[in-house]
Amino acid sequence: QKEVEQDPGPLSVPEGAIVSLNCTYSNSAFQYFMWYRQYSRKGPELLMYTYSSGNKEDGRFTAQVDKSSKYISLFIRDSQPSDSATYLCAPTTGFQKLVFGTGTRLLVSP
Amino acid sequence: TAGITQAPTSQILAAGRSMTLRCTQDMRHNAMYWYRQDLGLGLRLIHYSNTAGTTGKGEVPDGYSVSRANTDDFPLTLASAVPSQTSVYFCASSDSSRGDTGELFFGEGSRLTVL
Repeated sequence: QKEVEQDPGPLSVPEGAIVSLNCTYSNSAFQYFMWYRQYSRKGPELLMYTYSSGNKEDGRFTAQVDKSSKYISLFIRDSQPSDSATYLCAPTTGFQKLVFGTGTRLLVSP
Repeated sequence: TAGITQAPTSQILAAGRSMTLRCTQDMRHNAMYWYRQDLGLGLRLIHYSNTAGTTGKGEVPDGYSVSRANTDDFPLTLASAVPSQTSVYFCASSDSSRGDTGELFFGEGSRLTVL
């Protein structure tokens, strides 16, 4: 079993839709939960992160962690074509020991 | 701002040949990393360096070597390339003095094809 599981997609939605991207993980020691966004032929960039359980909102993006079920979610409200990218979850125990999911490719059509 | 600069951006290499992927950062970050990204496998850590003069093995280090002579440069060498090393290679850096948030800054990647 992989430490982090993520549906590769692609996930295709129309502009304006609410998008839900999810990961499951197996290591209960993970404390920080990162989301990276990767545009085609570019390097990943940090989108947002949460510490432990709970929600964190940043504009149209909301990150949610449920440590009891080992489930990580990223919600995108009012999705835009510019949100089309691959989204990688990356939980970590700390000090840069990230474990990356395989990424979910999101396509937002105008 | 440049951030992380990788070279070359792409390369085709004959099996058995050696190759060095270059990585330079201008953020004075203490930690640097090399990842490879393959379809269905995601990003996997090859080698890392927490500070100049030290290096460590990641998840998939076999067939690769690194050196960290100074803060800014972290080259990755394939001594004798094999087709399974065909991948996109990303260099990254982080500032561990900022705490445990784990924010990595990535380069644009180097696409390597080994034939």
